Amino acid sequence: AQKVTQAQTEISVVEKEDVTLDCVYETRDTTYYLFWYKQPPSGELVFLIRRNSFDEQNEISGRYSWNFQKSTSSFNFTITASQVVDSAVYFCALSEVLDNFNKFYFGSGTKLNVKP
Amino acid sequence: DTEVTQTPKHLVMGMTNKKSLKCEQHMGHRAMYWYKQKAKKPPELMFVYSYEKLSINESVPSRFSPECPNSSLLNLHLHALQPEDSALYLCASSQTHSGMAGNTIYFGEGSWLTVV
Repeated sequence: AQKVTQAQTEISVVEKEDVTLDCVYETRDTTYYLFWYKQPPSGELVFLIRRNSFDEQNEISGRYSWNFQKSTSSFNFTITASQVVDSAVYFCALSEVLDNFNKFYFGSGTKLNVKP
Repeated sequence: DTEVTQTPKHLVMGMTNKKSLKCEQHMGHRAMYWYKQKAKKPPELMFVYSYEKLSINESVPSRFSPECPNSSLLNLHLHALQPEDSALYLCASSQTHSGMAGNTIYFGEGSWLTVV
């Protein structure tokens, strides 16, 4: 069974602090994809990153970085020098392929509050 | 800006009303999705259309009726809803490549529905 756990329900930091959002997943598949999405109060889920199970290289995009470790089934997301605009709910998701489309298993989300 | 467009942004309807939510994408995606999201919860899959055919109905009550008129459009017809159906309804789309779990799902901004 596919499962994603985001144990941190809510995190509050002060602007310019670094913050790491945790994501732990469970799957029996050998090939799978993991995603992170950002959901600001407006509602739209904004795609941030996709990572496949074959590639354990860490990735950096500006202030964002991701640490994928298959040994611990984790795909953690770090924001460096956080800003107020980073305040949102962040979802980690695991993708399962069914016929010609994906089924996502979302974690419960982590709400990030960045205070000025 | 999102390439999945949803209308209306906000909808208030009575329990005896009939209304529709509309979704449009021009990314050439052949998989389209409806998700329902309650406050402080992750999105829940409702329906999936693949190549304009209904592929998944996650045991959604019949008061929700999806329709996919063509590869770019997805509708959700609403009738005799209950107050507990009040939620954010998200439309999404993705490419369709058999055997690949890595297709990114792109979401619209959502339609905020209130049933009174």
